[in-house]
Parts: sequence; C-alpha cells; structure tokens
Amino acid sequence: DAGVIQSPRHEVTEMGQEVTLRCKPISGHNSLFWYRQTMMRGLELLIYFNNNVPIDDSGMPEDRFSAKMPNASFSTLKIQPSEPRDSAVYFCASSKTGARNQPQHFGDGTRLSIL
Amino acid sequence: QQQVKQSPQSLIVQKGGISIINCAYENTAFDYFPWYQQFPGKGPALLIAIRPDVSEKKEGRFTISFNKSAKQFSLHIMDSQPGDSATYFCAASIRGNEKLTFGTGTRLTIIP
Repeated sequence: DAGVIQSPRHEVTEMGQEVTLRCKPISGHNSLFWYRQTMMRGLELLIYFNNNVPIDDSGMPEDRFSAKMPNASFSTLKIQPSEPRDSAVYFCASSKTGARNQPQHFGDGTRLSIL
Repeated sequence: QQQVKQSPQSLIVQKGGISIINCAYENTAFDYFPWYQQFPGKGPALLIAIRPDVSEKKEGRFTISFNKSAKQFSLHIMDSQPGDSATYFCAASIRGNEKLTFGTGTRLTIIP
C-alpha cells in the first residue's frame, strides 16, 4: 500500500517567494494533518482537516500560511511570502477517523530552506 | 495543560541494554498515548500505543508502562540494538479529538 506522499522532498528558495508543498494522503483516510518540525520547537501541528474541511488551524503561524484540501486525495500548504524563519521540515500525515483515536501515518516530509 | 513533557533529551545505551524514555502529562482528558519512532530523513512512524485502561502493553522488545495516578508513561526497549538508534516521540490525545500533542523527542543511540 502506498503511504502518504509528499512533494517536493527538498525545496530551496529565496526569501519573498511563494512556496507550495503538496500531500497525497493514504487512500481511504479522511483526516489530514500538516506539521512543522524544527530543532527549537519540535513537532508542531499547523492545521488539520477532516473530510476535506479544516477543523483546527490554531497552529498556523500567521497569515502568510494557508492550507487547502480541494478533495480527499490532495492537500497543499502554501507560504507567501516566505521568510528565512520558515525553514523547517514540513510533514503531512493522514488517519482514518474512528470511534477511538487512530494512528497517524506520516509522509517523509519536505525539507524547506528559505535563503 | 496540553503539554507532554519528555525526558531525557538524548540517551546512549550499550547494545543489549534496556533503553527507557519517560513522559508526563497534566491533562487528565488524554486517553490515547502513542509512541513514534523517527529515523533521519523519514517521517515519524507509529511504534506502539496504549490507552489508560491498561497499565502495560508489550510488542516484541517494546513495552509501554502506564501509571494513571502519576500521569506518567514510559517506553522500554529491551535488548536494545543499533537499529533502534532513532528519535522517539511520545504523544497524547483526547478522546474524540484527533489532535496529537507531542513530546519534545529523545535521540537514542545504541553503541556496540
């Protein structure tokens, strides 16, 4: 079975540019999560969707960040304009909603470097 | 109240030894406690999880011990192997809420 697929794996861009990260969740999973991982702050949840609807975006750092899930098999996280402090590894994860909490399955991440 | 505190930050264990990582929480509404394992360049992967209705769960060399009254849980890795060298995260979530609160991670190194 294919796992969570993220693209690109690496992105290097200059400050001020728009960055778009992509995620394809596991087929049949109806919850999708975007995380950011840094040495200083660890793993932070940015936003999560259930059935394509944003449920909790309280972790989105500021208006420069936006996320969409136009259908059950695709999500994007966009940063515009990007800043050097956005440099981090961004993970997407998916899970199947159930009566009790289900494990989240993570992709291999996008390593983002803003120069 | 949403925090999960994890210790130690890093741990070095000899091959064949027991690795122990500890986590503590405050929010008594947490009712799902997974551990994730992360290798360099990879995303975290679920290792083992426990719910508060049991005090221990074992899967192979990995055991979670859970102390509800102390609001603490720990991961024990028996007969630690070099392939276990990774970063380990504890996490917790509230029933009906899929949001996971992660600990800060423990970098485990198993030396020959």
